[in-house]
Amino acid sequence: GENVEQHPSTLSVQEGDSAVIKCTYSDSASNYFPWYKQELGKRPQLIIDIRSNVGEKKDQRIAVTLNKTAKHFSLHITETQPEDSAVYFCAATYRLSSNTGKLIFGQGTTLQVKP
Amino acid sequence: NAGVTQTPKFRILKIGQSMTLQCTQDMNHNYMYWYRQDPGMGLKLIYYSVGAGITDKGEVPNGYNVSRSTTEDFPLRLELAAPSQTSVYFCAAHRGRLSTDTQYFGPGTRLTVL
Repeated sequence: GENVEQHPSTLSVQEGDSAVIKCTYSDSASNYFPWYKQELGKRPQLIIDIRSNVGEKKDQRIAVTLNKTAKHFSLHITETQPEDSAVYFCAATYRLSSNTGKLIFGQGTTLQVKP
Repeated sequence: NAGVTQTPKFRILKIGQSMTLQCTQDMNHNYMYWYRQDPGMGLKLIYYSVGAGITDKGEVPNGYNVSRSTTEDFPLRLELAAPSQTSVYFCAAHRGRLSTDTQYFGPGTRLTVL
């Protein structure tokens, strides 16, 4: 079935520590894996994404790793800051038709960075 | 370039009322989507469109209808509002295949049905 599992549901870290959020997906054909950050009352904002032809991608303090064999991908945030506090969603593409797909979202992780 | 815009931002409906949630994009993107987000949950796909005149159901289409007469607009219609439709609704758009193009979200419409 179409499913994306995300763990943990809540994560609390001290400022400066690292945070890791993990997701698993069920469709081996999925080929695009974005991560969204959603602050309270705001829209989801894309923070990083990875496509299936790469295993890791970095953007300053944020990195994403992908293991297609195991069907899981992870978000890593280093040197966390209070402004990183938000809900983070992973997603994976599932095919809708020959020319488009849909995003299936994980359940979300509430990250709290304590000063 | 405003991206994806949605109106209204907030709305309270009584059971049985109807309304249309508006979504407009100025990026000339072919693909548009409607999601709902229930409290503390991820997003569920309601309907999607791959271009003007073409729409199809997503995971949770019951109680909703859509149309796509132009590339820019993708309104979502609720005919007989029910409390179960209390949610935040997000519209999204992207240019081409998801595997190559980023999906952009609108600011959302918070709907309460009493």
